[in-house]
Amino acid sequence: DTGVSQNPRHKITKRGQNVTFRCDPISEHNRLYWYRQTLGQGPEFLTYFQNEAQLEKSRLLSDRFSAERPKGSFSTLEIQRTEQGDSAMYLCASSRPPGTTGELFFGEGSRLTVL
Amino acid sequence: AQSVSQHNHHVILSEAASLELGCNYSYGGTVNLFWYVQYPGQHLQLLLKYFSGDPLVKGIKGFEAEFIKSKFSFNLRKPSVQWSDTAEYFCAVNAGRDGGSQGNLIFGKGTKLSVKP
Repeated sequence: DTGVSQNPRHKITKRGQNVTFRCDPISEHNRLYWYRQTLGQGPEFLTYFQNEAQLEKSRLLSDRFSAERPKGSFSTLEIQRTEQGDSAMYLCASSRPPGTTGELFFGEGSRLTVL
Repeated sequence: AQSVSQHNHHVILSEAASLELGCNYSYGGTVNLFWYVQYPGQHLQLLLKYFSGDPLVKGIKGFEAEFIKSKFSFNLRKPSVQWSDTAEYFCAVNAGRDGGSQGNLIFGKGTKLSVKP
């Protein structure tokens, strides 16, 4: 496995700006997940895709957040009109099809700082 | 709604001490249970998992966990810790809906383990 790749690794932005994060999953994994992690908390589920279909979204995913996986490979997470409360580590993970190992493989995350 | 509680925020041990990290979950149905570990500066990685069968599961690096359904618990143990076990440990659960793969995985807040050499 080449691993889950996320970029940028760190983004500093001003309140009100839009930001986009990209995730490249492990190539044979058809499931892709986005999580958010703030200081002192565990990862919180945001959304996940099976191939290009977005199957589940958390209530944490407000209207300012949108995730896409247009060709079932890489995914983007866009945050519009960022707020200071959006400052967090955004984690991407991928997994093999259902019924296999069930293990999530995480990337190193994209840290967002909103000033 | 499902939730996961990890009892200890920070645990400090000396090398060779035994470790037990508590994890309790709230969900009445079939669950899949996981422990993930995050070493300093690294990404989250799976330590061990329980789907069904023997409630005592063994993972990497000498870790094990026991699923006690009546107590809704999945505690992590290691008989003798090493300095290299210094990391943050996360318990996670999801409803066992679709053959063992995860949809919505719920994590606990994590326990930081510091092992003194």
